[in-house]
Amino acid sequence: GGIITQTPKFLIGQEGQKLTLKCQQNFNHDTMYWYRQDSGKGLRLIYYSITENDLQKGDLSEGYDASREKKSSFSLTVTSAQKNEMAVFLCASSIGGGETLYFGSGTRLTVL
Amino acid sequence: QQKVQQSPESLIVPEGAMTSLNCTFSDSASQYFAWYRQHSGKAPKALMSIFSNGEKEEGRFTIHLNKASLHFSLHIRDSQPSDSALYLCAVSRSGGSNYKLTFGKGTLLTVTP
Repeated sequence: GGIITQTPKFLIGQEGQKLTLKCQQNFNHDTMYWYRQDSGKGLRLIYYSITENDLQKGDLSEGYDASREKKSSFSLTVTSAQKNEMAVFLCASSIGGGETLYFGSGTRLTVL
Repeated sequence: QQKVQQSPESLIVPEGAMTSLNCTFSDSASQYFAWYRQHSGKAPKALMSIFSNGEKEEGRFTIHLNKASLHFSLHIRDSQPSDSALYLCAVSRSGGSNYKLTFGKGTLLTVTP
């Protein structure tokens, strides 16, 4: 089996700061995703990537950038952290579309 | 934009009971339907998925899909305390946008010993 590793587990930043979250997978999956999980709001898709160097916007992409320079890694940048985006950010991967997603344990973001 | 709604928001059942969780969706072109389970502080993990109308059983878990009613459900037979978790339903369309899996807000299940 494979694993998805997200770093850091906890991220504390100041309002207005640029912050980067990282994700690595060893499933050799083509597709990777970033979801945001707010309390009481389920999971919302921020960005996804079908293959290396591909980026597709999700429903919540404003205020975020993403980068997929290698098949195994997918990073997410919060361009200017805001207090209302304190949440858990979940990375996932899948073989392709319409397939099972495998999630990492998440990065919990706190903005002071 | 796809809307996915789950009910109830939370549920407490005794050990051994049958648990039923519901999910409705808005896009009639949806083709892929799944349930994920997330234990507290852990990663969501896929439980079951279904593509066509009807029922699918895996162990104590059964998924029902009725596309005409825009509804699918998860039933847990002989619920166990270890089943206590957040249950998320997820839906996607077919075709080029089937990478976009839309999740509901979740049902928090507590199974009491």
